[in-house]
Amino acid sequence: DSGVTQTPKHLITATGQRVTLRCSPRSGDLSVYWYQQSLDQGLQFLIQYYNGEERAKGNILERFSAQQFPDLHSELNLSSLELGDSALYFCASSVSGRGTDTQYFGPGTRLTVL
Amino acid sequence: EDQVTQSPEALRLQEGESSSLNCSYTVSGLRGLFWYRQDPGKGPEFLFTLYSAGEEKEKERLKATLTKKESFLHITAPKPEDSATYLCAVQPHTSGTYKYIFGTGTRLKVLA
Repeated sequence: DSGVTQTPKHLITATGQRVTLRCSPRSGDLSVYWYQQSLDQGLQFLIQYYNGEERAKGNILERFSAQQFPDLHSELNLSSLELGDSALYFCASSVSGRGTDTQYFGPGTRLTVL
Repeated sequence: EDQVTQSPEALRLQEGESSSLNCSYTVSGLRGLFWYRQDPGKGPEFLFTLYSAGEEKEKERLKATLTKKESFLHITAPKPEDSATYLCAVQPHTSGTYKYIFGTGTRLKVLA
């Protein structure tokens, strides 16, 4: 158990809908990272937040957005969902905002778009 | 373009049969290279971070090495519990932000 929690574990929704994924980092960690893992594309870095501020941006679509709240939990919002958004979404956390920090991954949220 | 390639895609070993996994990378400058282990349906588990060519790190039956173009994950006398997908990721030098580029992994199966 990494100490990172993600909810929900599974999510099934329809195309065009909007969903919110939630992540609570390990106690004491200030950075949160979001990743998407699909069968055809592997693990893709989406975005990093450090202490409430956006720190780094990867291959995140404009339909997706994230934020980190004062209590350091983070939410990833996915809107206008398409079939291709079906994937495992992982959150990770690390102690600081340094890029080479060890990242601890949560168990993931499996999103299925029908 | 920054790129990470892992080989082989899949590997089957007998228990005790040592082998190596390869991670080749092309980046403008390397800030760090990471190895993770991922079990089916679970999040990746951190194994090692390497920063510069010539660096080596060990943990139990695993040893990671780094050159200027590739990294190897050596598995000595593997056990069935070492079966997993091993992911390599690089963080290139980028001004003002961070990037993380993952390879597609090597699926390792160790047979008893």
